[in-house]
Amino acid sequence: DAGVTQSPTHLIKTRGQQVTLRCSPKSGHDTVSWYQQALGQGPQFIFQYYEEEERQRGNFPDRFSGHQFPNYSSELNVNALLLGDSALYLCASSLGAYSNTFGSGTRLTVV
Amino acid sequence: AQKVTQAQTEISVVEKEDVTLDCVYETRDTTYYLFWYKQPPSGELVFLIRRNSFDEQNEISGRYSWNFQKSTSSFNFTITASQVVDSAVYFCALSERKGGSNYKLTFGKGTLLTVNP
Repeated sequence: DAGVTQSPTHLIKTRGQQVTLRCSPKSGHDTVSWYQQALGQGPQFIFQYYEEEERQRGNFPDRFSGHQFPNYSSELNVNALLLGDSALYLCASSLGAYSNTFGSGTRLTVV
Repeated sequence: AQKVTQAQTEISVVEKEDVTLDCVYETRDTTYYLFWYKQPPSGELVFLIRRNSFDEQNEISGRYSWNFQKSTSSFNFTITASQVVDSAVYFCALSERKGGSNYKLTFGKGTLLTVNP
């Protein structure tokens, strides 16, 4: 049974560019959450999607946006990239009140 | 606002030693979950244990055990007879719960555990 799949695994972008990260949830899961983890820090909640709508959002600017598709997969978009956006981006999926299953993340480097 | 504090930044032990990771949390919610996750160098967060706010019974699962005390807002995690494969960053996390669904996880900054042979 495949877990959470994220793509790409690594990405290098230039300041000001836009990036799209993708996540396929674990089979049977309907909720997707995104987290940003800066080096040496704990993951920070970006937002959560359920039934194709953003259900909850963390303290991130509007440059961060997302989408959930009917098959429950999700995308995270970041516009106007800043150096400070360099981080590991983690996707987690869950079903109802069950614990989150995390992917291995996308390592984004902004130069 | 929710907050999780892991005061231990790094811990180094010798194999077979017991090690306890500390976690203190803050929340105004009466219903919440507490978690421990392990993050090996590969980056994936691996779920270890979950406890809800109504259950203070402490348990042991294999080499893992935890001590949940609401009176001190602490949720400490112990690895017994540590092994080199236990080396990783360990995160304590807190989640509010609404309507039967898990909401956002608030993580601590993590504790880097190194188990030396």
